[in-house]
Amino acid sequence: SAVISQKPSRDICQRGTSLTIQCQVDSQVTMMFWYRQQPGQSLTLIATANQGSEATYESGFVIDKFPISRPNLTFSTLTVSNMSPEDSSIYLCSVEDPGRGNYGYTFGSGTRLTVV
Amino acid sequence: AQTVTQSQPEMSVQEAETVTLSCTYDTSESDYYLFWYKQPPSRQMILVIRQEAYKQQNATENRFSVNFQKAAKSFSLKISDSQLGDAAMYFCAYRRGHQNFGNEKLTFGTGTRLTIIP
Repeated sequence: SAVISQKPSRDICQRGTSLTIQCQVDSQVTMMFWYRQQPGQSLTLIATANQGSEATYESGFVIDKFPISRPNLTFSTLTVSNMSPEDSSIYLCSVEDPGRGNYGYTFGSGTRLTVV
Repeated sequence: AQTVTQSQPEMSVQEAETVTLSCTYDTSESDYYLFWYKQPPSRQMILVIRQEAYKQQNATENRFSVNFQKAAKSFSLKISDSQLGDAAMYFCAYRRGHQNFGNEKLTFGTGTRLTIIP
């Protein structure tokens, strides 16, 4: 199955700054999915990133706040911009993994972001 | 839009006993996939079990099995012979359709925190 390397694993950031999270997949994938997991809560999809086109954002998430890049079929970044304490969450990337047989998903190890 | 509901925020079970986690979902689709994911404190999302909606037979993976009731839109997870390592958050998730591989998102339930009592 696919392996996703997600960086950084955690960070503590000052409010008003930005953090870029990277995900590298060891195989080519069509879409990469970015999720936010607020403390003690479930995963909420932020956006879907397709190579060569603008990401598709879910309701409540905007490109200015969460710009995404997808320069090739194995890599994507999510930036959390102009951070506030409310952005403190775990951020995860995910792909639908052909190595898992029919319709299995692999996740990165997550980035725990704390905004102070 | 599809929704996934987990009505048990927390569950606990004695080690070696059996526990069942509940999940219901709402969809107008006939083809879909359902998943249970486990998230231990390491926060890594681990696939526990997967069920194809077109299959009547309930999926089983070692100590984990599901009770899939398509008409009732219910998808519960049974963990037998519970072990300390089973302690985690468990999320039920839904994927629309059996086509468009690589292009469909997962929709997650709110999660159930499972505690194993030694």
